[in-house]
Parts: sequence; structure tokens; C-alpha cells
Amino acid sequence: GAVVSQHPSRVICKSGTSVKIECRSLDFQATTMFWYRQFPKQSLMLMATSNEGSKATYEQGVEKDKFLINHASLTLSTLTVTSAHPEDSSFYICSAQGANNSPLHFGNGTRLTVT
Amino acid sequence: GQQLNQSPQSMFIQEGEDVSMNCTSSSIFNTWLWYKQDPGEGPVLLIALYKAGELTSNGRLTAQFGITRKDSFLNISASIPSDVGIYFCAGGFGNEKLTFGTGTRLTIIP
Repeated sequence: GAVVSQHPSRVICKSGTSVKIECRSLDFQATTMFWYRQFPKQSLMLMATSNEGSKATYEQGVEKDKFLINHASLTLSTLTVTSAHPEDSSFYICSAQGANNSPLHFGNGTRLTVT
Repeated sequence: GQQLNQSPQSMFIQEGEDVSMNCTSSSIFNTWLWYKQDPGEGPVLLIALYKAGELTSNGRLTAQFGITRKDSFLNISASIPSDVGIYFCAGGFGNEKLTFGTGTRLTIIP
């Protein structure tokens, strides 16, 4: 079945540094990928929609200059958290969609801790 | 961001019992999906519903897409220990920009 790989699974960084998270579709081409953030005991909140070859679309309240998204190929999207702060600590999850109407599949998430 | 109302928020049941949870929305969706999330992992798709009134089963799981397109339920029959986790509903239009429910945490009492 469709597999979405996310890396790293856990990362700890210091305040002010930047962290890059990768999301790869392993056995299908993903024209669209989505980035979610999930705080403890809460639901998934969509941050942005990443479209291959074009700029990402950000949800209201999400700073595009802080959360940089690049979708340079049909199998890879990256999310870079720039100048990270402790309040950015969260569980970041990507999902990928292949052909039209194919179900979304999620990566295993990245636990970011900013100290 | 928008969230769907999902209930119950948590459930404590004994192994072998049936489980029922539902999601309601103030707006309609063309797609309803149900996911299960284990601690520290991403959600795993359980059932996808694409048509109002659709009733779909996946093993011991059954889900329905409400006629009004504003609700959906998920039933689990004869629960087993590995059913423990958090269940999320999600509504969308052709799978794009899913809106997630608030989650139902299922605990099985030994």
C-alpha cells in the first residue's frame, strides 16, 4: 500500500536554530502534500498545502516566513521551522495525496522539542 | 482552524464490547474519513466514505456517511486490546484540506 515516510521522527534543537523535516512518498507520486501540527491531546490542525512546483498555500494564522515549505519533486516535500522557539515544540505530521480522489496517507510524524 | 465535533471524547470499555462514536459538522462534506492514531505515530486510515448514505465495513469496523452530509459514525464490534488508541474523523472535499474531529480516546479495561 501507499507509504509516506517522514524524517526525522524526533528532533531536539536550541532556540533560534532552524530545523528541516522531510516528507517522502515512497511508492507513489504525490502532487499535493499537507503539513499538520498536533499539540498534546489535541487534534490535527492543517498548517499548509504543498503543491509540487508551486508555492505552498498557508492556513490563516500560520507564518509562511517561519514555516518554509518546499515541494521540489513529486515525492518530496520539506518543512523548515526557522528560528525555532519553545512554543514551536509540537508533533508535525505530513500527508500525501496521489492521483485524484485517492485517500490521504500520513507520515509517522516528527516530534520537535525546542529548548 | 475549524474542527468537527466528535463524541464521545473518551471511552472506557471492556474487551469484547461494541464501540460507537460519531462526528457532526455545521457544514457539509463530500468525503468522510476515519483514522486511528497510536501514541507518537501518524494517523492510519481505517475507512473512507465518498457518498451520502454510504455504509462501509472494514473487518470489525463499520462507518456510515450521513444522509445530510454533515455527520458520520464509526462502530467497532467485539473490541480487542489492539483497538486502543485515538480515533479521528475527518471531513473534506475530494480528500483535499481535511478538517479533523476532536478525537475519541478509546481505553480497554482489562
